[in-house]
Amino acid sequence: NAGVTQTPKFRILKIGQSMTLQCAQDMNHNYMYWYRQDPGMGLKLIYYSVGAGITDKGEVPNGYNVSRSTTEDFPLRLELAAPSQTSVYFCASSLHGPNTEAFFGQGTRLTVV
Amino acid sequence: AQSVAQPEDQVNVAEGNPLTVKCTYSVSGNPYLFWYVQYPNRGLQFLLKYITGDNLVKGSYGFEAEFNKSQTSFHLKKPSALVSDSALYFCAVRDKDGGSQGNLIFGKGTKLSVKP
Repeated sequence: NAGVTQTPKFRILKIGQSMTLQCAQDMNHNYMYWYRQDPGMGLKLIYYSVGAGITDKGEVPNGYNVSRSTTEDFPLRLELAAPSQTSVYFCASSLHGPNTEAFFGQGTRLTVV
Repeated sequence: AQSVAQPEDQVNVAEGNPLTVKCTYSVSGNPYLFWYVQYPNRGLQFLLKYITGDNLVKGSYGFEAEFNKSQTSFHLKKPSALVSDSALYFCAVRDKDGGSQGNLIFGKGTKLSVKP
């Protein structure tokens, strides 16, 4: 039972490069989320999706894009990496929305230099 | 606007002693409240939540939390701490009357350290 799987676990990017953080869940959850975690700052919501084909901005969406072509997958795209995007990124999913238990992936540690 | 505060960056407890991790919140309506735990190099794991009903909520690993509406608090407690409870704990809140589907607001986290 894999749950929420994120790849890669670690990545170093140069300023201006692009990359996609992958997220997949096998629990048939409708809701999926991307958060970033900065030291001493808790988690901030970047984007979320309530189902395939539907996405919306969270609290800190600038510099990121998402897509949700299937129920299982919710990739996060960084187009022009900046040092401010150095963070740990978590993908999560829940069955019935943010009022229900969310399951988190193990995270992707991204450094932009 | 919603907000949540965890006033302590770190809580130190001896094994076997009771522990409390504090959380206060601010919402315009009625709150949904959550506690999550994060072990090193792992994602967050759900501990418990308050939606409605009994103010004392019991969760995983022997943890419980008490919803206090007058003090706008939702402190996490455990009667007897274990060394394995050492981790980062996050409180989170969502306004029941909030319009956005996704906005669960997390506190900054409290590091719990349990010494043998």
